[in-house]
Amino acid sequence: DTGVSQDPRHKITKRGQNVTFRCDPISEHNRLYWYRQTLGQGPEFLTYFQNEAQLEKSRLLSDRFSAERPKGSFSTLEIQRTEQGDSAMYLCASSPSGTSGGGEQYFGPGTRLTVT
Amino acid sequence: QKEVEQNSGPLSVPEGAIASLNCTYSDRGSQSFFWYRQYSGKSPELIMSIYSNGDKEDGRFTAQLNKASQYVSLLIRDSQPSDSATYLCAVNNDYKLSFGAGTTVTVRA
Repeated sequence: DTGVSQDPRHKITKRGQNVTFRCDPISEHNRLYWYRQTLGQGPEFLTYFQNEAQLEKSRLLSDRFSAERPKGSFSTLEIQRTEQGDSAMYLCASSPSGTSGGGEQYFGPGTRLTVT
Repeated sequence: QKEVEQNSGPLSVPEGAIASLNCTYSDRGSQSFFWYRQYSGKSPELIMSIYSNGDKEDGRFTAQLNKASQYVSLLIRDSQPSDSATYLCAVNNDYKLSFGAGTTVTVRA
């Protein structure tokens, strides 16, 4: 069990550029989640996949954000036309199937995005 | 009202003492509750999960759940300097987690 991995770990980009992050969940986990965390706050839910299906997307997520999980394994999160307010830690988590209502979620190391 | 609220910190405790962390939640239908530890600059690490009313112990950590009062707590016994971190309370709502803002604990030698 190698844990959840994320790439890149750090990203600095200029306002208006597009960025894409990758997440590889724990291999036997079919549920994958994206969260965003800003300084002094707890993580905030962005979106959730079960296998390749995106089942929920936060109302707070603007249309500039899109996530995919095409083969039910790794996932990508893209932010288009980045804004300074997008600067945050982007966290990916995964959990196993079979737990009604959701079970334990394990987080990756995160991708820290800085928009200048 | 926030979905998950934690007692404001920071909390400073001497080495060897008990650190007590509290959390309340608003959704009475919540069924799963978690405590995560987060070191500065790192991602959250799951340390405890609790699903039923009562106490659950794991090493120096004890989680307590009272669904009637919508209250979850975490006790850290024999606190060590390595326990200095931010502790996040999380509540599962239809698969997604709702987090509190966290309580920062400092264990002083």
